[in-house]
Amino acid sequence: GAGVSQSPSNKVTEKGKDVELRCDPISGHTALYWYRQSLGQGLEFLIYFQGNSAPDKSGLPSDRFSAERTGGSVSTLTIQRTQQEDSAVYLCASSLTDQETQYFGPGTRLLVL
Amino acid sequence: GIQVEQSPPDLILQEGANSTLRCNFSDSVNNLQWFHQNPWGQLINLFYIPSGTKQNGRLSATTVATERYSLLYISSSQTTDSGVYFCAVEWSYNQGGKLIFGQGTELSVKP
Repeated sequence: GAGVSQSPSNKVTEKGKDVELRCDPISGHTALYWYRQSLGQGLEFLIYFQGNSAPDKSGLPSDRFSAERTGGSVSTLTIQRTQQEDSAVYLCASSLTDQETQYFGPGTRLLVL
Repeated sequence: GIQVEQSPPDLILQEGANSTLRCNFSDSVNNLQWFHQNPWGQLINLFYIPSGTKQNGRLSATTVATERYSLLYISSSQTTDSGVYFCAVEWSYNQGGKLIFGQGTELSVKP
């Protein structure tokens, strides 16, 4: 595709429910990143994929958060048993390799009630 | 870890004015990017600039890696330049391109 796409664009859920966020990177980009933007914490790194492997998961806030990438392309970020503090914009980025410019998607705005 | 500080935190300009935004970082970096986040939340790449100077239209950026800072220059500002400008670095001791973001400079350009 022309750019990084993410779905859904907005998600409202109830505390305790599970959510899945999807990222479609730019075709051919081997590196994929998830970040989170919240009012109190700014922009924070969550996880990095090189191909289907995740060599750096250091930013995942708790074991309720997990992510996978399949076929070296689409990635899914899953949050189990959502909490109100999970409310944020979740951003995905991809780059040709891990030493190149990162291009960001439009984000998924998650609101946990 | 590495610290990234941006200044000023807020800036208000009249259309047509010039400005300089600064990004200081506390350790060596493999790369540095400048982004503009528009009012709809989209992060737009401005520059990939681990060192040296680049120009793109009314915008230019300079990174002096040995002195651990980068500057973003905006000339002849327009109302469409409004938004938040972020500097982000990849710390040399991290693998894989993970970006550490500064807190941003919020720019408002008045007509």
